[in-house]
Amino acid sequence: GAGVSQTPSNKVTEKGKYVELRCDPISGHTALYWYRQSLGQGPEFLIYFQGTGAADDSGLPNDRFFAVRPEGSVSTLKIQRTERGDSAVYLCASSQGGGNEQYFGPGTRLTVT
Amino acid sequence: DAKTTQPPSMDCAEGRAANLPCNHSTISGNEYVYWYRQIHSQGPQYIIHGLKNNETNEMASLIITEDRKSSTLILPHATLRDTAVYYCIVRGGSNYKLTFGKGTLLTVNP
Repeated sequence: GAGVSQTPSNKVTEKGKYVELRCDPISGHTALYWYRQSLGQGPEFLIYFQGTGAADDSGLPNDRFFAVRPEGSVSTLKIQRTERGDSAVYLCASSQGGGNEQYFGPGTRLTVT
Repeated sequence: DAKTTQPPSMDCAEGRAANLPCNHSTISGNEYVYWYRQIHSQGPQYIIHGLKNNETNEMASLIITEDRKSSTLILPHATLRDTAVYYCIVRGGSNYKLTFGKGTLLTVNP
């Protein structure tokens, strides 16, 4: 079946602009996660959704970052007033409930110029 | 979750077994050992996980020492497509987040 998909695959934006990154999880997966991966590092946890609610957003670096999952399926990660330090690959994963194996999408490469 | 230690890089000849070690000396009784890999420019891919028994699936085998302080991921017949960064992660049974380290870059050579 279809895996996790993320759009766009690449996004270049200017410093100070607003961006939205989309994640389509595997159908039926109730848990959804966002991670961020900087060059040469492993992915870092940002936020976890169980259904429509954010069960843990402790990894979001500051209040410029926000994520939603209004219908318990597709999720959008929103970044306001982007900074060059936000440049990274943003990865989305989903699983059948929290604590199970996570299936990752290909990521969105965000470049802030 | 307990921290893990992995060598930064390893090499393996194509067709040979690749044995990737991981130390997790502070692992707790209810924590699992997970392995993921990340091929260049792709998202991480789940490989296998275990609690205390050895596990095998179509991709790999996981050997966990009796004291559970270390484990080895075995790719029995490595191919060039197995070149990737391999992450060993210790995760509590009820914990949902994965804490990645820097992993081991496995390079499979022809």
